[in-house]
Parts: sequence; structure tokens; C-alpha cells
Amino acid sequence: DGGITQSPKYLFRKEGQNVTLSCEQNLNHDAMYWYRQDPGQGLRLIYYSQIVNDFQKGDIAEGYSVSREKKESFPLTVTSAQKNPTAFYLCASSYEGTGANVLTFGAGSRLTVL
Amino acid sequence: AQSVTQLDSQVPVFEEAPVELRCNYSSSVSVYLFWYVQYPNQGLQLLLKYLSGSTLVESINGFEAEFNKSQTSFHLRKPSVHISDTAEYFCAVSYTGRRALTFGSGTRLQVQP
Repeated sequence: DGGITQSPKYLFRKEGQNVTLSCEQNLNHDAMYWYRQDPGQGLRLIYYSQIVNDFQKGDIAEGYSVSREKKESFPLTVTSAQKNPTAFYLCASSYEGTGANVLTFGAGSRLTVL
Repeated sequence: AQSVTQLDSQVPVFEEAPVELRCNYSSSVSVYLFWYVQYPNQGLQLLLKYLSGSTLVESINGFEAEFNKSQTSFHLRKPSVHISDTAEYFCAVSYTGRRALTFGSGTRLQVQP
């Protein structure tokens, strides 16, 4: 079945360490997104990519980095510059074309900084 | 700035009672509107969407939402809720010129027996 796979599901990190969250999709979608979810704040956009080798900052990109070397993959690195990285991270994808942009989400990765 | 407001952070309701979850968005020339549902420790699942046409849209599990352009609202309703509807519900908007969705802060629906 087609879908989005995020790994790991749970991750613990010490302060000062970088960590990379994986996101893989087999839906043949063009666009991919990373959102951060905190209690009571909904989802906030970190980065998105509409095409391979290109990506744009979202609303809260500081302290994060991404790459898009393959259509299927969009890893997110949480760097030591991110002041409050403990959160639930959601990856999504969609077709890129005219009309509505319907997002399909992965199951999420929960990052806890110790 | 473009924004989505969900006025209620939590909505407790008894089983088989009706429920309405409210969503308002900042005005724009044209928008697409969505409701997503999230169960604990899971990703978001699309519940229903308004793209064009009839302003009343329905999901397969009895939810419906109505697009009201004059009030810039997209409230979600269900005439009779079940325990299994307990989840967090997010309203989202696709604004012209921005491909990523803008989400509201979510409403936690708690259905009690």
C-alpha cells in the first residue's frame, strides 16, 4: 500500500546534539512538507519542497535543515541551534499541480530532548 | 497575516448528542478548506474538504461541514457522536499563493458515555 513512512517513531536526544528524522513516501507525490506539533498550537510549517533539489523555509525554519535529493525522501535535521526541539514532528506529501493541495500525513516522530 | 482560528480547545459531549466544532479563517480571495482528524500518537487523516461547488460537504462517517464565505467559516458538525469520535480535530486552509496548508490550533472532542 502507498503511504508515508516516518522513522524513528520515538527519539531521545541530549542537548547540543543534532538529530535527523526520516520521511519516505511511495505515493509518487511531488511536494513534501515538515510540520511541528506542540500542544495547543496546532501544526506549524517548518520546511516544504515542491520539487527535487529545491525547498523553501516555512514559518519556523530556524534551527532546522532539510534536503531533497530524491523525490521519495525528505529528511529533517534538528540542529543544536533549535532552542526548544521537544515536539511531535509530522511529514506530509501531496501532488503538485493546479487546484487544491490535499496533504497525506505520516504517523509522526516524537522527539524528546533530555 | 493568514490565519485559522478554532475557538474551542476542548469540547466535551455525551454520546449520541450533536456537536459543532467551529473554524474561522482570515479572509482571502479564494481558499480551499479542510478538516483533519488525529487519534492519539498518530498522524492526521483527512476527514473532509471543500474545493468548489456545493458549500455543504460530508464525510463517510457522518460528519459534515459548511463553507460560509460571508462569515469566513467552515464549522464541522455531527448530529449524533459516538465514543469512537473522540480525537483531536484540525481545521486547515489552503490560501492562494501558498501551497502548504495553514492549520488551526485544534479542538479536542471528548465523547463521554
